[in-house]
Amino acid sequence: EIVMTQSPATLSVSPGERATLSCRASQSVSSNLAWYQQKPGQAPRLLIYGASTRATGIPARFSGSGSGTEFTLTISSLQSEDFAVYYCQQYNNWPRNTFGQGTKLEIK
Amino acid sequence: QITLKESGPTLVKPTQTLTLTCTFSGFSLSTSGVGVGWIRQPPGKALEWLALIYWDDDKRYSPSLKSRLTITKDTSKNQVVLTMTNMDPVDTATYYCAHFFYDILTGPPPFDYWGQGTLVTVSS
Repeated sequence: EIVMTQSPATLSVSPGERATLSCRASQSVSSNLAWYQQKPGQAPRLLIYGASTRATGIPARFSGSGSGTEFTLTISSLQSEDFAVYYCQQYNNWPRNTFGQGTKLEIK
Repeated sequence: QITLKESGPTLVKPTQTLTLTCTFSGFSLSTSGVGVGWIRQPPGKALEWLALIYWDDDKRYSPSLKSRLTITKDTSKNQVVLTMTNMDPVDTATYYCAHFFYDILTGPPPFDYWGQGTLVTVSS
């Protein structure tokens, strides 16, 4: 099983600032990496797939980068609605998709 | 517009069998490349993939839960059903169904549309 490790577990950032979230895979997943946003009581929402492609309707302030085992999600200027939990998911080992433990992005 | 919605019991007893239904709209499970997966999330924990079914009725299961899971589809009703046998309190979680589209040219896909989830508690 490919283990996905996210860091940090919690990130405190002020509105308007940049947030950088990391995700590491235990082995190469090529670019088959997705990022999801989850707010309390809601389903995960696909933000990024293919490591760097924004999903439909996702604002340009969200960007993804990386390949192989190291990935980053950057939110360029945090809005109030961006404070949530973010998960990475590898789907390179389809269908044995695995998810990271999540990073909670909170208001500083 | 793609939507999915999970339904089923909110409380099951240990050793019982759980049956969850995913009812969807905006796509057809008879369309090549289309599929539906099930993912769960224990309270405060990470997401875990359980099973998925393709348009051609091919089925895949998480190796750790394979012996307990069955996934089926009813294309005419736009539904996918997941059954999990021998439920245990550790199976308490929110269960989600999600859409994917597998394009042979681009390779494996993410889950792009999710249902709202249904919380299942396992307790006597």
